[in-house]
Amino acid sequence: EPEVTQTPSHQVTQMGQEVILRCVPISNHLYFYWYRQILGQKVEFLVSFYNNEISEKSEIFDDQFSVERPDGSNFTLKIRSTKLEDSAMYFCASSEQSGGQETQYFGPGTRLLVL
Amino acid sequence: AQTVTQSQPEMSVQEAETVTLSCTYDTSESDYYLFWYKQPPSRQMILVIRQEAYKQQNATENRFSVNFQKAAKSFSLKISDSQLGDAAMYFCAYRKGAGNTPLVFGKGTRLSVIA
Repeated sequence: EPEVTQTPSHQVTQMGQEVILRCVPISNHLYFYWYRQILGQKVEFLVSFYNNEISEKSEIFDDQFSVERPDGSNFTLKIRSTKLEDSAMYFCASSEQSGGQETQYFGPGTRLLVL
Repeated sequence: AQTVTQSQPEMSVQEAETVTLSCTYDTSESDYYLFWYKQPPSRQMILVIRQEAYKQQNATENRFSVNFQKAAKSFSLKISDSQLGDAAMYFCAYRKGAGNTPLVFGKGTRLSVIA
């Protein structure tokens, strides 16, 4: 069964460093999302992406964040200058179509720790 | 803004017994979808069940079923014949019907299954 993959599974970085989290969505999916989950808290939406453009972003997704689909398979989340509060689990998700009826399939997540 | 509330931070159930996890939501939309996601210790988010708001019939998926009360804006998950593998964090989520909209999650309920 096709699945969303994410790399790395864990990343430790120093405050102020740039990190890039990578995701490979399911191959025929066109809509991509990033969510994050701070330890012990609920999953929060960051950004959605379609046709090489951001569709929607939350207040969390400030100028320190960017997303890109550099080729036909990868979807990346970049944090330019990490802060301690960026420590969280980051989930990538994808769906085949837009619309509420579409299931978003989640990857296994990248656990980011900022020291 | 839409909100999802899960009032039970933790629940426990004996193996083979039935447990119900509660979820309420608030929205002014008429077209929306509701989901239950499971997050085991591996942290991957797995879709358990989905309900379309326009359907009166409650969704079922093997041992999992929902009690969808649209007027009350309630969406509870019933797990029958609980198994040890059901132990996980369960998140209720809402998604607006139209467009490429994000999931809005509740804070989750941690379910323990006692052998």
